Amino acid sequence: GENVEQHPSTLSVQEGDSAVIKCTYSDSASNYFPWYKQELGKRPQLIIDIRSNVGEKKDQRIAVTLNKTAKHFSLHITETQPEDSAVYFCAPFGSNYKLTFGKGTLLTVNP
Amino acid sequence: DSGVTQTPKHLITATGQRVTLRCSPRSGDLSVYWYQQSLDQGLQFLIQYYNGEERAKGNILERFSAQQFPDLHSELNLSSLELGDSALYFCASSAYSGQGAGEQFFGPGTRLTVL
Repeated sequence: GENVEQHPSTLSVQEGDSAVIKCTYSDSASNYFPWYKQELGKRPQLIIDIRSNVGEKKDQRIAVTLNKTAKHFSLHITETQPEDSAVYFCAPFGSNYKLTFGKGTLLTVNP
Repeated sequence: DSGVTQTPKHLITATGQRVTLRCSPRSGDLSVYWYQQSLDQGLQFLIQYYNGEERAKGNILERFSAQQFPDLHSELNLSSLELGDSALYFCASSAYSGQGAGEQFFGPGTRLTVL
């Protein structure tokens, strides 16, 4: 099955700084790469996704970059705000036709 | 609100018992997915149904089973419960059949506590 690793497991930044979370995967056939955000006690929600034919995608303060050769993709959050504090999960979709979630990154944005 | 509903919100039961969790997908979505979230295992995919048929299977225990009904709602049955089954169980739905992938919309979850 797909092996997914997410780094770092925790990340603390000052408000206004940037945050980067990296996800590596093992299945070279993976073709869909989403990032989910889960606030404490809430459901996971998709914040951005990218498909294998695209290298980068941006949505306001959030961006995702994909390096298929190296089998990793990253979440970039700029101008972080306290409401960005949450757990972020990568979940590549592989040849086993399912999302495999990483262990999560706890992001804390300090005001 | 994602449009996915799950009942009950909380469930407390004893070891050895059987419970049923229920999920209604977003209107128009044919795929339903079940996930288990625990502190030590993270978010684990259990099983997917598409229009009534099983499409993909994850690390689902033999004591667990699921089905999707003609009205597209789904039920996850957990039997011979053990302490380690205590977790948050999420249902998600999407418009994708399985071989393709796209956004999954998660329900609010059912918190199961086994005493």
